[in-house]
Amino acid sequence: GQQVMQIPQYQHVQEGEDFTTYCNSSTTLSNIQWYKQRPGGHPVFLIQLVKSGEVKKQKRLTFQFGEAKKNSSLHITATQTTDVGTYFCAAFNAGGTSYGKLTFGQGTILTVHP
Amino acid sequence: ETGVTQTPRHLVMGMTNKKSLKCEQHLGHNAMYWYKQSAKKPLELMFVYSLEERVENNSVPSRFSPECPNSSHLFLHLHTLQPEDSALYLCASSQEVTPAGSPLHFGNGTRLTVT
Repeated sequence: GQQVMQIPQYQHVQEGEDFTTYCNSSTTLSNIQWYKQRPGGHPVFLIQLVKSGEVKKQKRLTFQFGEAKKNSSLHITATQTTDVGTYFCAAFNAGGTSYGKLTFGQGTILTVHP
Repeated sequence: ETGVTQTPRHLVMGMTNKKSLKCEQHLGHNAMYWYKQSAKKPLELMFVYSLEERVENNSVPSRFSPECPNSSHLFLHLHTLQPEDSALYLCASSQEVTPAGSPLHFGNGTRLTVT
């Protein structure tokens, strides 16, 4: 089955430093979604990328979808303590027929030291 | 966000017990999902319902039995569980269930412990 590999598993940064998490697939993806889960909370949808090479920004967050639609990244500029949590990518396989079957990455746990 | 409500928040049950998890969505969505979240593992899709009809069953053991009486409510009936079933069970909803990918709206989850 489809696998989505997400790295790194953990990232510890000092407040103000940048952070990036990467999502990679061996197969072409139709689209990719990003979610954030605060400690003790539930995943919350951040954004969806659909087009090859697409770049979207939300304040300090920048999301990219690779040209081959096999990888994606989330970059946070100048992290704040409110950025703490687990960031997940989730993807649909291109040409897939399994309805609603998002494949989630393992997540990157971000901790920010003040 | 209170669009998707799950009860109970915490549940401790023995292996011979029968219990049910409840989920209700107030977003007018047509699709509902059960996910399992275990430590150090990716979110695992268990079941997908579209307009009360099950469209995906991801090889889940029969000790988990879903029920979707209408498009706003989803249940997960639990029977004869194993300790390895202890996890956070998340309900989610989306506008549609298609490969095009409507965003998922998750509930707060039920933290299940099987003793």
